[in-house]
Amino acid sequence: SYELTQPPSVSVSPGQTARISCSGHALSNQFAYWYMQKPGQAPVLVIYKDTERPSGIPERFSGSSSGTTVTLTISVVQAEDEADYYCHSADNSGTWVFGGGTKVTVL
Amino acid sequence: EVQLVESGGGLAQPGGSLRLSCTASGFAFNKYAMHWVRQIPGRGLDFVSQITIDGDRTYYVESVRGRFIVSRDNSKNTLYLQLDNVRMEDSGVYYCARGLLAAPYAMDVWGQGTRVTVSS
Repeated sequence: SYELTQPPSVSVSPGQTARISCSGHALSNQFAYWYMQKPGQAPVLVIYKDTERPSGIPERFSGSSSGTTVTLTISVVQAEDEADYYCHSADNSGTWVFGGGTKVTVL
Repeated sequence: EVQLVESGGGLAQPGGSLRLSCTASGFAFNKYAMHWVRQIPGRGLDFVSQITIDGDRTYYVESVRGRFIVSRDNSKNTLYLQLDNVRMEDSGVYYCARGLLAAPYAMDVWGQGTRVTVSS
């Protein structure tokens, strides 16, 4: 079965940059989507189609893609960015999966 | 206000059934693809099912195919998920979500979830 691999955790100081990677063999030709989830809340879409940001999402959230890895970057991290982040994509047969999630801790 | 409200969760015995509903308001429900995603508390997200605008195409994760059925009634602004022959591993919080117009597999509006517990 298809898997998307994310680091379990990322720690960052306020004002610094957090980068969360997501690797999967089909990411070179399938779009990725990123979600933020805070405890007790539903997920929120922060990036779609690798690099697009939905309306209402701060500009400090950006996405990029290189080969079989996509990356969510949070610039000038704020305390409110502490959350779990999930990537989401499909393989070339149309099987959709989420990555295992990355817990971002703001020190 | 754009809103999705799930209902129908609860306790089911292994092999039993449940029907989840998701009522939409504040937007043109019949113009959006819709999704079901589940989450075991404290664990990650699991993409369960998707249905197109007219309901003519559906998608299921392999683990629920043949047991779950997604449907929609655009006249009632409601999405459904019929869970049959449930297993303990089907337990979790089930979210319905709206597909983004520009990218139907991007889920831009989520409900607060309904909890399903499968236990004997």
